Amino acid sequence: EVQLVESGGGLVQPGESLKLSCATSGFTFSAAAILWVRQASGKGLEWVGRSRSKAYGYATAYAESVEGRFTISRDDSKNTAYLQMSRLKTEDTAVYYCARRLSYNLDVWGKGTTVTVSS
Amino acid sequence: QSALTQPRSVSGSPGQSVTISCTGTSSDVGGYNYVSWYQQHPGKAPKVMIFDVSKRPSGVPDRFSGSKSGNTASLTISGLQPEDEADYYCCSFAGSFTWVFGGGTKVTVL
Repeated sequence: EVQLVESGGGLVQPGESLKLSCATSGFTFSAAAILWVRQASGKGLEWVGRSRSKAYGYATAYAESVEGRFTISRDDSKNTAYLQMSRLKTEDTAVYYCARRLSYNLDVWGKGTTVTVSS
Repeated sequence: QSALTQPRSVSGSPGQSVTISCTGTSSDVGGYNYVSWYQQHPGKAPKVMIFDVSKRPSGVPDRFSGSKSGNTASLTISGLQPEDEADYYCCSFAGSFTWVFGGGTKVTVL
């Protein structure tokens, strides 16, 4: 069974950093692209960024709202992707999901981890 | 990277059909046949219902269908069921392996 499990969420103050993990199982992680998507409370889904697979050099891209502050990385030996978030703002408060990209859609999602940025 | 435009809500009685529109631009919806639709029940993760504009994943009922014309994609739910009450989000590939979501539509079964 394909599974993705996010962890690492919590309460941080504005300007601080936080690193989320996305542990995966049930598929060949190194061959998969992983996306991060977030959802503020009561709001819609927002694409955050992506990491392509090993075959594409783990290339990353980010939404304008997080460019320069967020970094996606991955450790294929641990089947885990990461979202390093720096200089956090109150508007980054959201549930963060990781998802596997299959072709051009997100076929399996994790249950999400909650990040709260507040003083 | 502007969000795709969806109606905030649609509603229908059991057995009726509802259609949700998703309007983008020629840089996303209109430029690629890579629109997907996600269903999200409260407190749950999104689930893909339609991908590549009109394809249904295994296990998704055939009352869900998708289409696209120009810069607007649509999701139709035929024979509405109580369990279809949820939020629905469209999502489009936007080039350079980036994606954009719609603002979401709440489907209410009356």
